[in-house]
Amino acid sequence: EAQVTQNPRYLITVTGKKLTVTCSQNMNHEYMSWYRQDPGLGLRQIYYSMNVEVTDKGDVPEGYKVSRKEKRNFPLILESPSPNQTSLYFCASTDSPRPSGANVLTFGAGSRLTVL
Amino acid sequence: GDSVTQMEGPVTLSEEAFLTINCTYTATGYPSLFWYVQYPGEGLQLLLKATKADDKGSNKGFEATYRKETTSFHLEKGSVQVSDSAVYFCALSNAGGTSYGKLTFGQGTILTVHP
Repeated sequence: EAQVTQNPRYLITVTGKKLTVTCSQNMNHEYMSWYRQDPGLGLRQIYYSMNVEVTDKGDVPEGYKVSRKEKRNFPLILESPSPNQTSLYFCASTDSPRPSGANVLTFGAGSRLTVL
Repeated sequence: GDSVTQMEGPVTLSEEAFLTINCTYTATGYPSLFWYVQYPGEGLQLLLKATKADDKGSNKGFEATYRKETTSFHLEKGSVQVSDSAVYFCALSNAGGTSYGKLTFGQGTILTVHP
């Protein structure tokens, strides 16, 4: 089954304790991205990757890092989490983005993170 | 920059009622427009899309028409079901440069349908 898999699905942690949210897709997609979802704000892009070893900032990158060493994996790293990073996180992927902008993203099921 | 504005929610309807969720956008050029749906505990999934002006996207009884003159993409369904209860997101994707693949989302509208 074509899918994007995120882990963990739920996590409660404390301020300053480094954590990684993993994301893996089995569709051989080139493009991967991370979003955070907050009430009243919709989803906002954190980072994205056009291909292996190619990553760039989205709209809200502060406090996050990413890496893309393999095509299928795109982990999100919080080096020193803070309470304002409490959110619902989604990983998404799509095939080679088209100039028309008509790409359909496939989303993971989400990872709910609470930072105390 | 690009932005999407959805009607305030939540929306509560009785089964078989008519649904409209308003969505307007601001963007340069010719964006593609989408409606995504998020069922409880799940990720977002595409509901419908339209890639150019006057296109109508449709799926599962839902429809939305890309209106460039009013910069709108309102979602409609003639008769909602309890199973339509979910969060609905309007989104746009703009072509060019590093915007490839990026979606700009509205705030989301919570829909609850009662029997």
